[in-house]
Amino acid sequence: EDKVVQSPLSLVVHEGDTVTLNCSYEVTNFRSLLWYKQEKKAPTFLFMLTSSGIEKKSGRLSSILDKKELFSILNITATQTGDSAIYLCAVEAPTSNTGKLIFGQGTTLQVKP
Amino acid sequence: EAGVVQSPRYKIIEKKQPVAFWCNPISGHNTLYWYRQNLGQGPELLIRYENEEAVDDSQLPKDRFSAERLKGVDSTLKIQPAELGDSAVYLCASKRQAWDNSPLHFGNGTRLTVT
Repeated sequence: EDKVVQSPLSLVVHEGDTVTLNCSYEVTNFRSLLWYKQEKKAPTFLFMLTSSGIEKKSGRLSSILDKKELFSILNITATQTGDSAIYLCAVEAPTSNTGKLIFGQGTTLQVKP
Repeated sequence: EAGVVQSPRYKIIEKKQPVAFWCNPISGHNTLYWYRQNLGQGPELLIRYENEEAVDDSQLPKDRFSAERLKGVDSTLKIQPAELGDSAVYLCASKRQAWDNSPLHFGNGTRLTVT
């Protein structure tokens, strides 16, 4: 059975700290891995990763994929209170030409001032 | 471009009552998804449409849940009758084509509370 596991499930840090969120997966037909940020409403897209070892970066956020070890990390440097959210990892694992997305449980990040 | 639009944002009903959710995907997006997100969990797929055809509904509890996407644009998800365990956030998402290399775009969701 395809599955995506995130760790830690929750994290509390102070502003300015650096955090690393983990996502491991076991799927039969990997296509891509995506990170989303979810505040009180819609998950918003952060990164899509398809190739190993290539870091994607957006401001203070960065992510990298390891397809050999089947995991990805999301780094946030110099955290701010606005980074408080649920971070969702999802893996696209189509069985045919389909866009099936399997989500992990999410990591709840709280950044204290 | 306008995002995925869902309504209502919140719904509170008593158990055994029916409820319906509506979704308008991004214009030009042929693939539409309904996900359910329980508290503290990631979203789980209920059903996926390619245009007006439901191509993956294996996770949809068909005894009480139904969905439709007439004309391949807007979609509705219905629960009848609702049970306490149906309380969750129901998310709609869309994508231009299932096989293209692009992310899903989500709506703000409908938070359902069944009392």
